[in-house]
Amino acid sequence: IAGITQAPTSQILAAGRRMTLRCTQDMRHNAMYWYRQDLGLGLRLIHYSNTAGTTGKGEVPDGYSVSRANTDDFPLTLASAVPSQTSVYFCASSEGLYTDTQYFGPGTRLTVL
Amino acid sequence: AQKITQTQPGMFVQEKEAVTLDCTYDTSDPSYGLFWYKQPSSGEMIFLIYQGSYDQQNATEGRYSLNFQKARKSANLVISASQLGDSAMYFCAMREGSDSWGKLQFGAGTQVVVTP
Repeated sequence: IAGITQAPTSQILAAGRRMTLRCTQDMRHNAMYWYRQDLGLGLRLIHYSNTAGTTGKGEVPDGYSVSRANTDDFPLTLASAVPSQTSVYFCASSEGLYTDTQYFGPGTRLTVL
Repeated sequence: AQKITQTQPGMFVQEKEAVTLDCTYDTSDPSYGLFWYKQPSSGEMIFLIYQGSYDQQNATEGRYSLNFQKARKSANLVISASQLGDSAMYFCAMREGSDSWGKLQFGAGTQVVVTP
């Protein structure tokens, strides 16, 4: 069982380009999340999905979009990347209740130049 | 306002010794979960231990235990018999039951370095 996989592992992107970060989980969890981790700011929630077919905005959603066509996949798209989106992006999943552990993918290190 | 506070930016601990990492939290929600994660230099976030607000006993998972003092709103992580592989950043996080987003709120982290 792989848990959560993310792709790519790292990417350097020119500003203005479109980019999709992929996230797949094999735990059949209902809820999935995207966080970004920045030095000094910790992890912040970008978007979430409580179940397939539904998504919601987190703390820092601007410039990002997500979709949840099925239980396993939760891609994050940057429509037109900007340098401030340089960060490490983590996908996570859980059963959904506040008592349930969120498990994280290995992360994607994105640099926007 | 900061909901999770970790006051120790970094600390050194000798191998085989125990170390306590502090975490205080702020919430008015009676239902919440507290989590500790480890982030080694390789970058992945590894779940260590969970404590629920209604749990009567302190959580334990192998060498990890959580000193949960609800009235003080603290949830300190204790690592017993430290190993070199315990060197990492440690994050305390909370999820409130009333939060429909389901987001984890993280502290700033504590960098632990285990020395031989």
